[in-house]
Order: sequence, then structure tokens, then C-alpha cells
Amino acid sequence: SYELTQPPSVSVSPGQTASITCSGDKLGDKYASWYQQSPGQSPVLVIYQDGKRPSGIPERFSGSNSGNTATLTISGTQAMDEADYYCQAWDSRSHVVFGGGTKLTVL
Amino acid sequence: QVQLVQSGAEVKMPGASVKVSCKASGYTFTSYDIHWVRQATGQGLECMGWINPNSGNTGYAQKFQGRITMTRNTSISTASMELSSLRSEDTAVYYCARVTGSIAAAEYFDSWGQGTLITVSS
Repeated sequence: SYELTQPPSVSVSPGQTASITCSGDKLGDKYASWYQQSPGQSPVLVIYQDGKRPSGIPERFSGSNSGNTATLTISGTQAMDEADYYCQAWDSRSHVVFGGGTKLTVL
Repeated sequence: QVQLVQSGAEVKMPGASVKVSCKASGYTFTSYDIHWVRQATGQGLECMGWINPNSGNTGYAQKFQGRITMTRNTSISTASMELSSLRSEDTAVYYCARVTGSIAAAEYFDSWGQGTLITVSS
């Protein structure tokens, strides 16, 4: 089965750039989406189709996808960005696959 | 605005069944697939399957085959997920989510329900 691998945790200082990676076999040939989940809340879409931002998502969120790795980048990270982030793609059998999640700590 | 409102938390005995509902509003219910995703405490997101509200067609993750049933009632814009033979490992928050996107294999979840906590305990 297709797997997406994320680092369990990433730390960043306020105002700096945070990068969260998501790795999968030939992931660059697929489309990746990213979701933010704060404690006790439902996931929220922050990036879809590799690098598109839904309305209402700040411009500091961006995404890219190439080779075997998709990357979520948060520029000028703020304390409110501290959350869990999940990548998502579809495998060759049209099944949804989520990465294991990355806890972003802003300190 | 698009809203998915789920039924409330439940506590179930091992071996029992549970049915979680997801009422959609703010859009044409039959135009978008609904997926069910669960999350155990402190764990990641796990896909359970999907339903096409227009046709009623379903697709279930292999892990749940045989004990999961997804249905819909178009007259009340509601999707439901029933899980049987519950065990302690099924204790989790269950979410419904709407899938959107015009490109095959590029769809994404643009709206999520608030989640329903199902606790399986004797």
C-alpha cells in the first residue's frame, strides 16, 4: 500500500520559516494537500493541489511537490500556527492516504 | 456556507454497533462525495471509506470491510456511517468530510464535520 512519511515534529522560532516535508514514492507525480489541526479541532485545509491556498488561508502558507517529496512552507511563522499538520494524496487505486502528521512547535 | 454537522458522542459496549450521522447544508448534497475519517487519541488520520450521495455507491478501506456500512438519505441531506462489532481499538473521534476538486486524483477535503467521539468500553 502507498505510504506518506512525515517527520513527527518540527520546531521553529516566531517569525522564521517552517518547512514540513511529506515523502512518498513518486509523490511528485500525484497531487498533495495539507491540513492543519489544532488541539480538539477538526482538520482545516491549508494547501490543495500541491500549492494552491483556499480562501481565508494566509499567504504565509505555501506548498510545493516534486520528485518524492511535498513540502509545506510557513513563512513568518506565528504562534497561532502551532498545530499538527497532515499531508494527503491519492494512491493508484484511488484510495485516500494521509501522512502520519507533524507537530509544529513555535518556540 | 458549507456545513457538516455530526451526531453526538456515544459510549458503546464491546461487540455493539454505532451509527454516526453527518448532516450537510449550504450546498447540493448529491454533488460531492463524503468520506469518513477517524482519529484515535494522539494518533493520525485514518480513512475508513466514502459514499457518493447521488448514486449511493460506496468504497470501504480493507481494514473495515465486513463491519462498516455507509448510507445516505438525500431527502434530509444526511450521510451515515455504521460500524459493528466494536472493540476498544475503535475508540476514536470520527469525522465526515466533503471531497471536492475537478481533477481526478487531485480532490481534497474542503469541509469537515466537528467530529464525533465514540468510546468503546465495558
